[in-house]
Amino acid sequence: DGGITQSPKYLFRKEGQNVTLSCEQNLNHDAMYWYRQDPGQGLRLIYYSQIVNDFQKGDIAEGYSVSREKKESFPLTVTSAQKNPTAFYLCASSSHGGLYEQYFGPGTRLTVT
Amino acid sequence: KQEVTQIPAALSVPEGENLVLNCSFTDSAIYNLQWFRQDPGKGLTSLLLIQSSQREQTSGRLNASLDKSSGRSTLYIAASQPGDSATYLCAANSNSGYALNFGKGTSLLVTP
Repeated sequence: DGGITQSPKYLFRKEGQNVTLSCEQNLNHDAMYWYRQDPGQGLRLIYYSQIVNDFQKGDIAEGYSVSREKKESFPLTVTSAQKNPTAFYLCASSSHGGLYEQYFGPGTRLTVT
Repeated sequence: KQEVTQIPAALSVPEGENLVLNCSFTDSAIYNLQWFRQDPGKGLTSLLLIQSSQREQTSGRLNASLDKSSGRSTLYIAASQPGDSATYLCAANSNSGYALNFGKGTSLLVTP
């Protein structure tokens, strides 16, 4: 089955700890994205990557970091510097940078207490 | 930056009705517009993609239109069913950006 997988589905962390969210795709897509969704708000872009070893900040990159060492993988680290990390995190990919249809994974719900 | 607005925020209709969801955007230099469906606690499912050179796209009971000059898109759902109940999200990007800019969504409830 082709698609995007995110793990884990639910994640709980204590304040002050870094946490890494996994995103893997087997669609052979060049571009990958991380979005954050909060209740009552639209999705907001955190980071995106058009090719391996390259990525750009989105609208709300502060307190987050990413890497893109493999085409299939785009992990997101939520650092202790992120002031309000509790949210639903969605990973997406598209065949070329942003100008083509984006496909989304099932999401990871992160709760920080 | 492309700003996207969706109206109404919530909609309840009886089964069988035809309905229209509205989406407006601020930057007419749009490259494409995408409609998604989201079920509670789930990821997004792509429904339709309209490229800037197109006026509409159809998939089954769904039809999406794009009017760049007025900055509007509509999603038409024919013969609604309870299984259509979900949140529908509209997203657009402009020629200057790679990322999609999302509206806040319309929460649809179709009652039997």
